[in-house]
Order: sequence, then structure tokens, then C-alpha cells
Amino acid sequence: GQQVMQIPQYQHVQEGEDFTTYCNSSTTLSNIQWYKQRPGGHPVFLIQLVKSGEVKKQKRLTFQFGEAKKNSSLHITATQTTDVGTYFCAGTNAGGTSYGKLTFGQGTILTVHP
Amino acid sequence: ETGVTQTPRHLVMGMTNKKSLKCEQHLGHNAMYWYKQSAKKPLELMFVYNFKEQTENNSVPSRFSPECPNSSHLFLHLHTLQPEDSALYLCASSQRWDAFPYEQYFGPGTRLTVT
Repeated sequence: GQQVMQIPQYQHVQEGEDFTTYCNSSTTLSNIQWYKQRPGGHPVFLIQLVKSGEVKKQKRLTFQFGEAKKNSSLHITATQTTDVGTYFCAGTNAGGTSYGKLTFGQGTILTVHP
Repeated sequence: ETGVTQTPRHLVMGMTNKKSLKCEQHLGHNAMYWYKQSAKKPLELMFVYNFKEQTENNSVPSRFSPECPNSSHLFLHLHTLQPEDSALYLCASSQRWDAFPYEQYFGPGTRLTVT
């Protein structure tokens, strides 16, 4: 079955440093979504990428979707303490219509030290 | 955020008990989902309902029984659970599950402990 691997599992940074998490799928994806879960909270949708090679930015966050639509990355520039949480990628297998059938990566837990 | 609500927020039950988790969405969505989130494991999709019809059962044991009486409400009935079923159970909704990859909105979850 489809597997989505996410690395690193943990990341500790000093406030102001950059952070990147990588997501790799065993199969070609139709789309990739990114979610953030604050400690004690629930996943909150951040963004979706659909096109091969797509790059989207949200303030200090930059999201990329690979040319082969099998990998993605999230980069945060100059982290702040409000960025702490777990970042998940989630993708849907290409070729079907069950777009809601997301396979989640195991997440990257980001800790930001002030 | 009150788009998707879940009750109870915490539940402790014995292995012989029967309990139900409730989820309600106020977003006018047509698809609803149950996920299981265990420590150090990815979110696992359990069930999907699209326009009140179950479209996905991800090989979930029969001790978990979903019910979707209408597009706004989703239940998860629990009976004779095992300690390894202890986890955070998340409900989510989206515009629909087919046609387009819509974003999913999650509820706060029910923290379940099976003793």
C-alpha cells in the first residue's frame, strides 16, 4: 500500500534559525496537503499543492511539490516560538477519485528554543 | 474554532464497556471521517462517509462501529475494546470526498483510555 515517509521525526532549533521537513511517497500523488498540530491540539490545514513542481509561500513558510509528484517539502524561515508543533504532510494516490483518502506522514515535531 | 465539535473530550472505559463518540460539523460539508492518532504513529484513516454513505472502511476491527445518520453527525460506537485501542480519535469533515482534493477540518478529538 501507499506509504508516506517524513523526515526528520524531531527537529530542535533556536529561534531565528530556519527549519525544513521533507515528505516522500512510495507512489505518485495527485496532490499533497500540509497540516500543523500544536501541542495538545488537532491538525489544522495549512496548504495544498496540486501541480508538478509547484511552489507556494505563506509569509515565512515555503511549500514545494516535486516534479515527479512523489515528494514535498516545507521550509520555515527565521522560526518563531509560535511555530512549535507537529507538521504533517498528507497525500492522495494518483489515478483515482477518492481524493479524501489521505495517507499521512508520521510528522515532524518542531521545538523552537527562545 | 467551532466548525467541528467532538464529545466527550476524554473517555476512560473498561474492556467490557460500550460507549459512543460523537462528532458534529457546522460547515455544511458532505464528507466525514474518523481517524485514529496513536503516539509515534501517523494518523490512520478508519472510516469515511460521503453524503451519508460509507465509502471507506480501512480494515478496522468490528469492535469499532460507525454511524452517520445525516451529513452533519457522525458517531463511533465502541465495544469490548483492547488496551491498544487507547489513542486520540479525531473526526474530520470536508466538502466531499471525491471530485476534488478538499482540505479537511478536524475536531479537537476524544482522548480514549481503555483500562
